[in-house]
Order: sequence, then C-alpha cells, then structure tokens
Amino acid sequence: GAVVSQHPSWVICKSGTSVKIECRSLDFQATTMFWYRQFPKQSLMLMATSNEGSKATYEQGVEKDKFLINHASLTLSTLTVTSAHPEDSSFYICSTRGRAYYEQYFGPGTRLTVT
Amino acid sequence: QKEVEQNSGPLSVPEGAIASLNCTYSDRGSQSFFWYRQYSGKSPELIMFIYSNGDKEDGRFTAQLNKASQYVSLLIRDSQPSDSATYLCAAYSGGGADGLTFGKGTHLIIQP
Repeated sequence: GAVVSQHPSWVICKSGTSVKIECRSLDFQATTMFWYRQFPKQSLMLMATSNEGSKATYEQGVEKDKFLINHASLTLSTLTVTSAHPEDSSFYICSTRGRAYYEQYFGPGTRLTVT
Repeated sequence: QKEVEQNSGPLSVPEGAIASLNCTYSDRGSQSFFWYRQYSGKSPELIMFIYSNGDKEDGRFTAQLNKASQYVSLLIRDSQPSDSATYLCAAYSGGGADGLTFGKGTHLIIQP
C-alpha cells in the first residue's frame, strides 16, 4: 500500500491564528486526497476531496473559506485552518486514493489543539 | 443523507473467542464496505473490504455482506488482546472521487 505522511503530528496554537497541515504521499502519485476530521469518540467525518490541479470539493457544512485546501502536486496536499477557534480542536487525518477505487491509505493524523 | 450505524460498545470478548461486529448503512447505492481498525490516538488501518453479498475470509477475519438487509459484519476468530481497538465500518458510494462514510466505530475489548 501507499505510504502517507502528515506534518505536524500535533500542534497547539492560539485562537485566531492559522495552522497549516501537510499531507504527503511518499511513494505514490495521488491525484485524489481526502481530508477527514475526527472529534473524540466520534467517527471520521469527510471534510473535503482534494484533486491535484483543481479546486477542492467540500462536504456540506464545511466552510471552504475557513479550511483552505491546496493540492499543488501529485504528492502534496495542504489543509490550512484559518482563524482557528477552540471548537476546531480535533484530529485531522488525510488519505490518498490508490490505483483501485477501494484503496485508501491514511496518514498518521495531526492533532490540533486551539487554546 | 448517507449514514453508517454501529453500536459504540464497548464489546467485551474473552481471549480466544469469536468477536462479532455489526454495521448497517442507509444508502442503498453503497457499493463497497470497509472495516478499519483504529487504536487510540492513531489513524485507521484497513483490515478488509467487501463488495459482494456473502462472506469474505482473510486469516482470522471474515466480513459478511447482506445488501438486501443493508447489513455488514466482521467476525474475528481466536480473538487476541492485541485486537482490542475501535473498529470502524465505512461505506463507499461510488461517484469517482467520493470519500468514505464512516460509522462511529465499535470499541472492542479482548479480555485475557
């Protein structure tokens, strides 16, 4: 399977600041990446689908101006949480789609805490 | 609204016994189903997937799918303490770039 990394693995920031999370596909060219968010004891919620070279597709209820996604290359997608608030504190996980539709490889996740 | 439902548990099973995890889904258009294992603080790891009615076996794991009942299950034979984790059921509805719809997960505890 594909190897996916995320950076940083955890971050603490102050309310009102912006945080960028990187997702890299280390051994596979990923045309499609996904961003999920998981609150404690909750399921993973798909936030957006990131397509290389085009605008991301956001799920209903996710503010595209708050969660900026850039998929500038086949190996890198970034999620920027702008003007973060404590309610944005969560576990953010990216995944890449493999060659087959059923292949989806998850990164290790980024734990964001907004104080 | 696509939904995947799971009993949150915890489900407690003695070591060596069979653990049975269940999942139902609302979208009849769902094509494939996935079982992920997630340890606390970690991201999910794929155990197996199934897209045809019936059973699919992989080692100690057996996935079962009944599309008429919109029901998916995962059986873990010879349960080990290392199987203790949260098990997430996910559904894929196609459409090319769609992500997965996840259930909230079932917390499984294997008692030594």
